[in-house]
Amino acid sequence: GAVVSQHPSWVICKSGTSVKIECRSLDFQATTMFWYRQFPKQSLMLMATSNEGSKATYEQGVEKDKFLINHASLTLSTLTVTSAHPEDSSFYICSARDQRRGAYNEQFFGPGTRLTVL
Amino acid sequence: AQTVTQSQPEMSVQEAETVTLSCTYDTSENNYYLFWYKQPPSRQMILVIRQEAYKQQNATENRFSVNFQKAAKSFSLKISDSQLGDTAMYFCAFMKRMEYGNKLVFGAGTILRVKS
Repeated sequence: GAVVSQHPSWVICKSGTSVKIECRSLDFQATTMFWYRQFPKQSLMLMATSNEGSKATYEQGVEKDKFLINHASLTLSTLTVTSAHPEDSSFYICSARDQRRGAYNEQFFGPGTRLTVL
Repeated sequence: AQTVTQSQPEMSVQEAETVTLSCTYDTSENNYYLFWYKQPPSRQMILVIRQEAYKQQNATENRFSVNFQKAAKSFSLKISDSQLGDTAMYFCAFMKRMEYGNKLVFGAGTILRVKS
């Protein structure tokens, strides 16, 4: 149990276009999902926390209008990179919290999405 | 603010030997969780082991064990009988309590290479 999927696994787009990445919890409900960005050989940087039915909470320095997050259901959160530029090229990872696990609040990670902006 | 420090950017170990990865953290909280995650070349994050701060006993999962020193704010990971499949980047993480869903603060990571 506790499987998180991401789609697409990789995407190449032209500069100026928008790209949507989906994160799904396949066998549990996730009231909270998290979006991370990771550059090669570096750590995961939290971008935002996504809560079902409410606005996402962004970390300091992350542009809300650039990275649009929607958490419309208990199993799906989406990240849209708007007007993408080459510097947005990165590996994006989502995670989901299984609310059944109570206070422990373990996060389960998706396999990641590699975005390349030409 | 909580910070997590991993002072070893890269480490190597011979197959079947034991290796210890270090991690220190800084927090003013008394109750929290600590984790070690593994990220192999596939880049899928995999939970290796977790420790709850209120438990004095060190967590163990098969060949993986931790040395949790709460007063020293230290949380090292020991891998026994290292296997080639252990080659990965290892992240130490602190779980920070938030209203909207506890968030993880990661260290910079340690690249571990297991040699045959």
